[in-house]
Amino acid sequence: KAGVTQTPRYLIKTRGQQVTLSCSPISGHRSVSWYQQTPGQGLQFLFEYFSETQRNKGNFPGRFSGRQFSNSRSEMNVSTLELGDSALYLCASSHHSRGSQETQYFGPGTRLLVL
Amino acid sequence: GDSVTQMEGPVTLSEEAFLTINCTYTATGYPSLFWYVQYPGEGLQLLLKATKADDKGSNKGFEATYRKETTSFHLEKGSVQVSDSAVYFCALSDREPGNQFYFGTGTSLTVIP
Repeated sequence: KAGVTQTPRYLIKTRGQQVTLSCSPISGHRSVSWYQQTPGQGLQFLFEYFSETQRNKGNFPGRFSGRQFSNSRSEMNVSTLELGDSALYLCASSHHSRGSQETQYFGPGTRLLVL
Repeated sequence: GDSVTQMEGPVTLSEEAFLTINCTYTATGYPSLFWYVQYPGEGLQLLLKATKADDKGSNKGFEATYRKETTSFHLEKGSVQVSDSAVYFCALSDREPGNQFYFGTGTSLTVIP
């Protein structure tokens, strides 16, 4: 089975722009979660989608948004980029709706640099 | 709320040394516990997991036992190799709501020949 794929792998933007990142989960997986990873803050949860609905949300401003399509692919969007948004954005998928017992499988990430 | 606390790094060991990375957790329910590993420039890979108290997860010589009485899930390996150099993350997943994971801050391990 193919793993979680994320596109693009690298991105350079300037402050004020917006960006859209894409994630394709493992085939059959319906839950997709997004994380931001920075050296200072570590891994921080952004949000989780299941069956096209946002089920969980972390503590990020409204500039960060996401969506999930009927084929479980997900996108996240960041508007009005700030320098502090520079990070590795990781997507993870899991199979089922149940919270515990479900391993998350991670993609390679999209590295975003905001200048 | 749920949280994970893991040992601060970085950790530097000689090849064949014994490894322990401490991890403790706080959870309101009955979580599953995980160790993930991240190699440079890559995403996180599942190393091992345990889903209930006293379970032992193991993989590639690494082990961790789910200790409910001490709320711990320490990672151990008897003899590390240079190829084990990576960042290790302890994580928990509680049952509700949804499939939210809580990660520790990560522990960087460097193994020198």
